[in-house]
Amino acid sequence: DTAVSQTPKYLVTQMGNDKSIKCEQNLGHDTMYWYKQDSKKFLKIMFSYNNKELIINETVPNRFSPKSPDKAHLNLHINSLELGDSAVYFCASSPTRGDTQYFGPGTRLTVL
Amino acid sequence: SQQGEEDPQALSIQEGENATMNCSYKTSINNLQWYRQNSGRGLVHLILIRSNEREKHSGRLRVTLDTSKKSSSLLITASRAADTASYFCGFMTTDSWGKLQFGAGTQVVVTP
Repeated sequence: DTAVSQTPKYLVTQMGNDKSIKCEQNLGHDTMYWYKQDSKKFLKIMFSYNNKELIINETVPNRFSPKSPDKAHLNLHINSLELGDSAVYFCASSPTRGDTQYFGPGTRLTVL
Repeated sequence: SQQGEEDPQALSIQEGENATMNCSYKTSINNLQWYRQNSGRGLVHLILIRSNEREKHSGRLRVTLDTSKKSSSLLITASRAADTASYFCGFMTTDSWGKLQFGAGTQVVVTP
C-alpha cells in the first residue's frame, strides 16, 4: 500500500490553463506539505498544513492555492499556468510538525 | 532564504568504496535530515539527527553533525550500485519549526 500518493504522475498542459494535483496519505499523519523541485533538483517548500490548518506559506504566487479537505488529503490547485511552473511537485507528510517527512512519488508538470 | 549547501555536487566511485558528502547551513537548527532520491522518484528518508546529537548510524550509513561548524556529513560505507542516487540534506531551523530547507543535493554514481 502506497503511504503518500499523488495524482496525476504526469501533467502536460498549455499556458493559461488551470490544473490540480491531488495528494493523499494513509499514515495517519497530522502534517502535510507541498514542495517544488526545479530542473536543477533544488527542492523548496511551498505550503504546509497541520490538521487542516495552514502553517507554512512560502513566497508563492497566489495562483497556487492549497486545499486540505481533511488531514489525510492536501490538494494543490494552480491557476493561469506559466512556463516557469514546469517542475516536479512533491507532496509529503509527517506525524507532527518537525518530524521525519515521507514523500510521495511526485507529479511532473510540463507547461507548454 | 537559508538553503543548505552540499558538497560535492557529484561523486563517482567504484562499488565497495566509501562515499562521503557534506552539508553546511547558516543558522541554528533543531534537526537535520538526510534523504535519498532515485532518478524519477520521491525522496526517501535515511537519518534524522537532532541538534544535541553528534553521530548516528543506520546500517551502512553514518551521519555526523558539528553544530559549531554548522555542518553535517553522510558516509556510505562499502557502496553498492544500488546506492546510485541523489542525496539531500534538509535542515529545520530553530525559528522555522516544521520547515525543511534543502540544498541541491549530491549526485552519487556507483559503478560495478
